[in-house]
Amino acid sequence: GESVGLHLPTLSVQEGDNSIINCAYSNSASDYFIWYKQESGKGPQFIIDIRSNMDKRQGQRVTVLLNKTVKHLSLQIAATQPGDSAVYFCAENSKIIFGSGTRLSIRP
Amino acid sequence: DAGVIQSPRHEVTEMGQEVTLRCKPISGHNSLFWYRQTMMRGLELLIYFNNNVPIDDSGMPEDRFSAKMPNASFSTLKIQPSEPRDSAVYFCASSILQGMYNEQFFGPGTRLTVL
Repeated sequence: GESVGLHLPTLSVQEGDNSIINCAYSNSASDYFIWYKQESGKGPQFIIDIRSNMDKRQGQRVTVLLNKTVKHLSLQIAATQPGDSAVYFCAENSKIIFGSGTRLSIRP
Repeated sequence: DAGVIQSPRHEVTEMGQEVTLRCKPISGHNSLFWYRQTMMRGLELLIYFNNNVPIDDSGMPEDRFSAKMPNASFSTLKIQPSEPRDSAVYFCASSILQGMYNEQFFGPGTRLTVL
């Protein structure tokens, strides 16, 4: 029979532009969220986290926005660089399950 | 800090053989997770331990898979007998169980190929 691979959403961004990666979560009781970055051949690495009592948190070149009303999380990367190429996962603490991820590719 | 250590980094074996993957979590961490990653299914949680006790093994695909954590500094994931569909990258991660806040630190993974 036909096999179906995992189709990762892909975001292609021009180098230097800003990137926005989105994530929808399911459990309104989740109160802690994490973004992970996975580069090719490596395990996921922590980027930034946010607690549910916050709407926004900033790190170095990254910002996470949380909209609890619509259960939506986004990761913004400023001035995207080639080293940002990776698969990005969001995770919520109410269940230890990672989203399917979004692949970010950078155009020179 | 050494980070999470996994061994071997690569394993090639034949169908039917037993495979044992090993993990040493970060010292002081009291939660340990085993994940499997494939192109078909993405990143899947297989099992996790808190204070060496298995908490949720609902992600373990079959009885062929078993995991142990005999002490706070060592865990194994065993597949017996192995099958080609078990080919994947297996990640171990550890974290500090502090209430509900649990950033996970991942190891480099073990790439398993079952022929």
